[in-house]
Amino acid sequence: GNSVTQMEGPVTLSEEAFLTINCTYTATGYPSLFWYVQYPGEGLQLLLKATKADDKGSNKGFEATYRKETTSFHLEKGSVQVSDSAVYFCALSDRGGYQKVTFGTGTKLQVIP
Amino acid sequence: DAGVTQSPTHLIKTRGQQVTLRCSPKSGHDTVSWYQQALGQGPQFIFQYYEEEERQRGNFPDRFSGHQFPNYSSELNVNALLLGDSALYLCASSAGTGGYNEQFFGPGTRLTVL
Repeated sequence: GNSVTQMEGPVTLSEEAFLTINCTYTATGYPSLFWYVQYPGEGLQLLLKATKADDKGSNKGFEATYRKETTSFHLEKGSVQVSDSAVYFCALSDRGGYQKVTFGTGTKLQVIP
Repeated sequence: DAGVTQSPTHLIKTRGQQVTLRCSPKSGHDTVSWYQQALGQGPQFIFQYYEEEERQRGNFPDRFSGHQFPNYSSELNVNALLLGDSALYLCASSAGTGGYNEQFFGPGTRLTVL
């Protein structure tokens, strides 16, 4: 079955530091890949997505590249802000009908001033 | 656009009871999926409804059942509650069931089983 493995947190960074959150996946076929973010007290929000190999998803300064050869989708941001503090989830869904999103366990990011 | 709405926000039940959670999808969406998010974990897929039928199901027992109405809203029912059912229950809606179709999540219903 499908699975997603992401680095355990919490990750604590100083403001303006570089962020990498690693994510690898196992899936049959060619899944779509996502990063979701969950801010404190709020619901899940889609941060970015990529639907085929070598696609780069980007949003709000975050980016991730769909690497089929390494089955990875690492999240990066060049300069984090305090407002980026949240839990980040890597996820995938099968292509075609009846999508079912498989999530990783989440990585909590804390950015300190 | 109200987005995905869920009710109630919080719920406290005791073991053995039954519970019904409700979800209204985002305007224009016809597909509803339900997820269970235990504390400190990622959401786990329960099932998905499209055209008033359960289309796909995750690894959850039959105590978890659902329904979709003609207006696309949905209910999640859990019978014979266990302590382990305590979690945040998330509803997500999308336009269609394709893997490319973005799912929008509601704020969730926090269920506590005592």
